[in-house]
Amino acid sequence: QTVVTQESSFSVSPGGTVTLTCGLSSGSVSTSYYPSWYQQTPGQAPRTLISSTNTRSYGVPHRFSGSILGNKAALTITGAQADDESLYYCALYMGSGIYVFGTGTKVTVL
Amino acid sequence: EVQVVESGGGLIQPGGSLRLSCAASDFTVSTNNMNWVRQAPGEGLEWVSLIESGGNSYYADSVKGRFTISRDNSKNTLYLQMNSLRAEDTAVYYCARGGFPSYYFYMDVWGKGTTVTVSS
Repeated sequence: QTVVTQESSFSVSPGGTVTLTCGLSSGSVSTSYYPSWYQQTPGQAPRTLISSTNTRSYGVPHRFSGSILGNKAALTITGAQADDESLYYCALYMGSGIYVFGTGTKVTVL
Repeated sequence: EVQVVESGGGLIQPGGSLRLSCAASDFTVSTNNMNWVRQAPGEGLEWVSLIESGGNSYYADSVKGRFTISRDNSKNTLYLQMNSLRAEDTAVYYCARGGFPSYYFYMDVWGKGTTVTVSS
């Protein structure tokens, strides 16, 4: 069974930079998995940040960027702000209509 | 405004059935890929099912054979028929539109969710 791994939590100072990663329990993440990223605050629906590795969704601030770093997908927040404090999920397209979400990373800004 | 609104959740006994609905506004369900994603209490997101614009449907292994995704073009509504429900199906169920272009393979419009509780 495919497991998509993410760090459980990160802490970042206001104005700082943090990079979250999204990996596979076996194998490497590449652009062929079309990694996407979603932000979720407690009690709210997810918000789409990034699609297809590095395409920002409409209205998403430029401080959010996506990439492939080594064998993982990555989401970088540059110049973190207080309202970036959220849960962040990646999702990978496994082919044949199947998606798998990552385990989620809680980001604290303090 | 482009949006989706889920309904149909509730409390259901194990082994029971429930049908969730997702009404779309300002876009056409039948010409978009549409997904269901769920989130168990205190847990992460789990993709459940996809119906492509062409009609092909796909399911997570955890629900295959028990859940059926469908759509009613005349009502511009997506459905999720859930049978043989188990306690582990307890979750908030989100409807999510597949993003454009479709070959970017992501979800771009999310509803607020509807809560399903499976308990005796």
